[in-house]
Amino acid sequence: NAGVTQTPKFRILKIGQSMTLQCAQDMNHNYMYWYRQDPGMGLKLIYYSVGAGITDKGEVPNGYNVSRSTTEDFPLRLELAAPSQTSVYFCASSYSPGQGVYEQYFGPGTRLTVT
Amino acid sequence: AQSVTQLGSHVSVSEGALVLLRCNYSSSVPPYLFWYVQYPNQGLQLLLKYTSAATLVKGINGFEAEFKKSETSFHLTKPSAHMSDAAEYFCAVGAGTASKLTFGTGTRLQVTL
Repeated sequence: NAGVTQTPKFRILKIGQSMTLQCAQDMNHNYMYWYRQDPGMGLKLIYYSVGAGITDKGEVPNGYNVSRSTTEDFPLRLELAAPSQTSVYFCASSYSPGQGVYEQYFGPGTRLTVT
Repeated sequence: AQSVTQLGSHVSVSEGALVLLRCNYSSSVPPYLFWYVQYPNQGLQLLLKYTSAATLVKGINGFEAEFKKSETSFHLTKPSAHMSDAAEYFCAVGAGTASKLTFGTGTRLQVTL
């Protein structure tokens, strides 16, 4: 299994441009997540999904959009990029068969710079 | 709502010394607690997790953590530090739906000779 994969690894955007960060998992996990990591701030949840066709906002959703048309893929869309979106973005997935909280598996990250 | 506080953004230990990374949590329901490690330019990797089965939890690479409800703590320890332990460590608490986690701000561990 490749686990959680993310593309691209690095990207530089100009202010106002748009892009999609790709995330895929091959573990048949039902839950998927997008986080951003800023120095000294830990990880903040942007959006999450509990299954194909179902998404919901996390702590910091403004400026982002997601979709989940398949179990495997969970792309994150940035519209009108702003310098405040300069960050490292992590995708994660989790298999949750029922009640409880289960560990998340993380991708390698995408480092995005907006100038 | 849940929250996590990690005391000390930077910890430095000598190789062979005890590692102690502190984590205190706040949760309105019985918590699920996790420690993750992040090596430079990589994603997060699970070290260990507490799910109420046992208060002392053993993880990978010789790390362990003890859940203390009275102190709302879940500190991470390793008896003898190795140079390869140098990384950033994150404590996280989970509760509620969708296995969502709330992360602490992280502790960077430096190991010196």
